Order: sequence, then C-alpha cells, then structure tokens
Amino acid sequence: SYELTQPPSVSVSPGQTARITCSGDTLRDKYASWYQQRPGQSPVLVIYQDTKRPSGIPDRFSGSNSGNTATLTISGTQAMDEDDYYCQAWDSSAVVFGGGTKLTVL
Amino acid sequence: EVHLVESGGGLVQPGRSLRLSCTASGFTFGDYVMTWVRQAPGKGLEWVSFIRSKDYGGTTEYAASVKGRFTISRDDSKSIAYLQMNSLKTEDTAVYYCTRGLDGGDGSFDHWGQGTLVTVSS
Repeated sequence: SYELTQPPSVSVSPGQTARITCSGDTLRDKYASWYQQRPGQSPVLVIYQDTKRPSGIPDRFSGSNSGNTATLTISGTQAMDEDDYYCQAWDSSAVVFGGGTKLTVL
Repeated sequence: EVHLVESGGGLVQPGRSLRLSCTASGFTFGDYVMTWVRQAPGKGLEWVSFIRSKDYGGTTEYAASVKGRFTISRDDSKSIAYLQMNSLKTEDTAVYYCTRGLDGGDGSFDHWGQGTLVTVSS
C-alpha cells in the first residue's frame, strides 16, 4: 500500500523558517494537501493542490511538490504555529495520510 | 457556513456494533465526497472510508483495517453520512472525524467535524 513519510519532529526558532517534508513514490504526480492540528482540535486544511492556501490561512504558510517530496514551509514561524502537521494524498482510490510531524518552536 | 456534526460515539464492548452519523449543513451535500477519518489516542490521522457523490456512482472504499466490518452510506435528502461499525475491536478506539471533499476536485478535505469518540472496551 502507498505510504507518505514525514519526520516525527521538526524544531525551529521563532521568526525562522520551518520546513516539513512528506515523501512518497511518484508524489509529484499527485496533489498534496497539508493539515494543521492543534491539541484537542480537529484538523484544519492549510495547503491544497500542492501550493494553494485556503482563505483565512496566513501567507507565511506555503507549499511545494517536486520529485518525490512535498514540503510545507512556514516563514517567520510564530509560537502559535507549534502544532502537529499532516500531509495527505490520494492513491488508487484510497486516502493516505503521512504519520504527522510535531513542530516545536523554541 | 459549512457545518459537519458527528454523533453516535460512545463506549461499546468488543464484538458489538455502533452507527455514527455526520449531519451536514451550509453546502450542497450531494456534490461532495464524504469521508471518515479516525485518530487513536496519541496517534496520527488514519483514513477509514469514503463515499462518492451520486454523480460519481456513489462508490465506496475502505481502509484494509476496517474492510468487511464497516459500511459507509449517505442520505442526500437529509444531508447525512453514516458509518456502520460492526464487530468492533479494541483497536478501533479513536476519535472519528467526518470530513468533506469536492468530488472530482483536487482531493483535499476543507471542512472537518469536531469528532466523536468511540471507545471499545470490556
């Protein structure tokens, strides 16, 4: 079955750029989406169709997808961005989520 | 405004059944793929099942971990999606989220419910 691989954790200093990767075979041929999840809350879509931001999502969130890796980039990271992040794609009529990355802002 | 509200969760013994409901409002329900995603305590997101719109044949798919035990359905006249869960196992314990995606779209899920907790325990 198809798998998406994320690093379990990423650390960044406040104001710096955080990059969270998501790897999968031929991922460049699929659309990648990204979700932010705060503790005890439902996931929120922050990036869709590889690079697009839903309305209301700050422009410090951006995405890319090339090769076998999709990347969520958070520029000027703030303390409030310290959450779990999940990538997601479709493969052969199945929805696949990455294992999630805990972003720590310290 | 889009709303998805899950209900039907609770404590159930192994081997028993439970039916979850997802009541939708604020959008044309029939145009969307309705999907169930679960999250076990302290774990990541796991896709469970989806049902496509009538325009796309109402096709259903299931994760291997629930295939043969869970059944998804939808009632477009009531804007409700259901997840019938049979032969429940302790490993089915999780918060179950309902989410929507535009059928024929890019495959993202732009609105999620608040989730309903299912606890399978004797």
